[in-house]
Amino acid sequence: GAGVSQTPSNKVTEKGKYVELRCDPISGHTALYWYRQSLGQGPEFLIYFQGTGAADDSGLPNDRFFAVRPEGSVSTLKIQRTERGDSAVYLCASSWGTSGDLDTQYFGPGTRLTVL
Amino acid sequence: LAKTTQPISMDSYEGQEVNITCSHNNIATNDYITWYQQFPSQGPRFIIQGYKTKVTNEVASLFIPADRKSSTLSLPRVSLSDTAVYYCLVGDISNDYKLSFGAGTTVTVRA
Repeated sequence: GAGVSQTPSNKVTEKGKYVELRCDPISGHTALYWYRQSLGQGPEFLIYFQGTGAADDSGLPNDRFFAVRPEGSVSTLKIQRTERGDSAVYLCASSWGTSGDLDTQYFGPGTRLTVL
Repeated sequence: LAKTTQPISMDSYEGQEVNITCSHNNIATNDYITWYQQFPSQGPRFIIQGYKTKVTNEVASLFIPADRKSSTLSLPRVSLSDTAVYYCLVGDISNDYKLSFGAGTTVTVRA
């Protein structure tokens, strides 16, 4: 079956540019998550969607980062005025979103962002 | 979220059993213990989850002592393809969606 997919797999951009990273969750999953992983570290939470709304965006590092999920399926992470420190692997995960239950998150392969 | 401590790296050989112990001294009553595996250039993959005693699936076993202050992930008869980073996570999975990953344990399996 189809898992979580992310595009592009690699993105190289220049400092100051705008980038968009796309995530296609597993069909039927209502919950969607973005994480960021720096080299040698574990993933760090950025934002969580339940349906179309961002239920928790407390992990976004600053206002240059924004994410949307307009139809409750595909999500786009947007980064404005990119900085070299934004270079990392951006991971997307999805889950059934069942509350009060053990809700396993399934991760995509990630998008490796390099800001020159 | 309960803080976890696990070894930075472990080496093993094909066919051996690998045991990774994770310490979580301040685990809360509602917390579960979850392990993820991550291969290079891939996202983390759920391996196993447990609350107490022993849990076994087709991939691994998870041993949790009565005080729940630590847990051990056991990988039986590893192969080269088990080389990966293994993360121990502790949290109230029923309402804590923010998975908190540490640096993990890099397991290297050699021929």
